[in-house]
Amino acid sequence: DIQMTQSPSSLSASVGDRVTITCRASQSIAGYLNWYQQKPGKAPNLLIYAASSLLSGVPSRFSGSGSGTDFTLTISSLQPEDFATYYCQQSYTTPRTFGQGTKVEIK
Amino acid sequence: QVQLQESGPGLVKPSQTLSLTCTVSGGSISSGGDYWSWIRQHPGKGLEWIGYIYYSGSTYYNPSLKSRVTISVDTSKNQFSLKLRSVTAADTAVFYCARDGGESSAFDIWGQGTMVTVSS
Repeated sequence: DIQMTQSPSSLSASVGDRVTITCRASQSIAGYLNWYQQKPGKAPNLLIYAASSLLSGVPSRFSGSGSGTDFTLTISSLQPEDFATYYCQQSYTTPRTFGQGTKVEIK
Repeated sequence: QVQLQESGPGLVKPSQTLSLTCTVSGGSISSGGDYWSWIRQHPGKGLEWIGYIYYSGSTYYNPSLKSRVTISVDTSKNQFSLKLRSVTAADTAVFYCARDGGESSAFDIWGQGTMVTVSS
């Protein structure tokens, strides 16, 4: 299985901050990397697919980059509704695997 | 707009079989190009992919659960289902169904999730 490792596991930030979350794959996954946001009690929502493609309707403050084994999710200016847990996931091969999550909390 | 909805018992006894169904609305499960997945999340933990099915019936299961899992599809009802056998308390989780969209190769549509507790 391809292991996905996110860092940090949690972070505290203020509204307006720039936030960066990284995701590393245990082997190359080309650009087959997706990012999800999950709020408590809710299903995850897809934000970014194929490493850098923003899903329609997702605010442009979210962006993704990377290829191979190293990927980044950036929130350019954190908004109150962005406090949530973020997961990366590889779709390069089966079994599909997720990172352990990064919880973004209010400072 | 495609929507997914899980249904099934919220409580299952140890050693029994957990059975859930996902109903697809707003689109056809047979339209092709998409895979239909089950994903679970243990309380307070991360996401674990269980497996997926194509409308033709072909499946792929996570090797960690393969010996206990069956996913099936009923195209006439626009539904796909999960059976997890010989459950224990460790199988207590929120179960989600999701579309693994062929175009995005991502889980682009999710059901709301259903909590299943394994307890006697």
